[in-house]
Parts: sequence; structure tokens; C-alpha cells
Amino acid sequence: EAGVVQSPRYKIIEKKQPVAFWCNPISGHNTLYWYRQNLGQGPELLIRYENEEAVDDSQLPKDRFSAERLKGVDSTLKIQPAELGDSAVYLCASSLPSPTADEAFFGQGTRLTVV
Amino acid sequence: SQKIEQNSEALNIQEGKTATLTCNYTNYSPAYLQWYRQDPGRGPVFLLLIRENEKEKRKERLKVTFDTTLKQSLFHITASQPADSATYLCALESGGYNKLIFGAGTRLAVHP
Repeated sequence: EAGVVQSPRYKIIEKKQPVAFWCNPISGHNTLYWYRQNLGQGPELLIRYENEEAVDDSQLPKDRFSAERLKGVDSTLKIQPAELGDSAVYLCASSLPSPTADEAFFGQGTRLTVV
Repeated sequence: SQKIEQNSEALNIQEGKTATLTCNYTNYSPAYLQWYRQDPGRGPVFLLLIRENEKEKRKERLKVTFDTTLKQSLFHITASQPADSATYLCALESGGYNKLIFGAGTRLAVHP
């Protein structure tokens, strides 16, 4: 079975340009996360979905970041306009719906460079 | 403020020895804690989960302990191998199931 698929793997854009990342989670995983990881740091949660609903977006910079998860499957994360400080790896993860706890499966990430 | 602290310096050990990594946290009361491995250019991969009512969990050469009084988890790799070289991340449940907050990770280098 395919894991979490993200695209593109790499993206270089000029500041003030828009950029979008796409994520296809593991089939049957209702929970989907977007994380941002800066060099030498751990992943930082941006937004978490349960099906189509964003249940935690408190860390998402809403002035420039937006996300959607149509039909509770694929998700896109958009930045508009991008700033130099947005350069990072953007990770998507998914997990099974569980009343307790479950492991998160991560994609390989999209490395964004803003120049 | 809430903090998750992992050894910021890389841990260098000799092959065959036991590697011990530390995760300390403050102002959290996690119901569970997870450990992940991350290789360069890859996403984190789940290794182990331990719940607040468990003291210790083992999986093959891996062992995790969880002390909610000390607010600390220790991650051990016994009989370490060069292939174990990677960054190891701890992650806490925070404020609800499936909400994970990650530490910065500790880089482990196992030398032949």
C-alpha cells in the first residue's frame, strides 16, 4: 500500500509569489496533519483535519496560509504571498481515526526555498 | 511556558554500545508519548508509543521509559549499529488525541 504522498518534493519561488503543496494521505486515514519543519528543529503543527473539518488551526498564520481538505481525502496547503522566512520543509501526515492514540505516517515532505 | 527538550548536541557512540536519548517536558500532561526516527531528506517514521500508565515499552532492540513524575522519557537502543544513525524525535500528546507536539530531536551517530 502506498504511504502518504506529497508533491512537489522541491519548490523554489521568489518572495511574494504564491505556492501550493498537495498531500494524498493513506486510504482510510481520517486524520490529516500539516507540519512545518525548519532546519535543526522538530516538526511544528500548522493544521489538523478530522475528515473535512479543520479541528486545530491555531498555529496556522492565517494572513498568508490557507488549507483545504475537500471530500475528506486529499489536502492542499497554500501560501500567498510567500516570505523568505517561509523556507522550510512542509510535511503532511495522516493517522487512523482513533479514540485513543495512534502513530502518524509522514510523507517525504516538500522542501520550499523562497529567494 | 510549555517546553519539550531533547539533547541538542549530537550523541556519538561506538557500535555495539547502548544509546540513551532523553526527552524532558514542562507544563504538559501528556496521555502518551511517541518516538520517531528521521533520516535526512525523509519524513519521520514511528518507532514506539508509551502511555502515561506504562513505565516501560520494548520493541526488539528499542526500549522506552516514561516517568510522569520526572516529566521525562528515555529512549534506549541496545547493541547499536551504524544503521541506527539518524535523528530521533519525541512527540507528546497535547490537548486531545492525535494532537502531537514534537521536540527538536537528537542526532545519533553510531561509529563502527
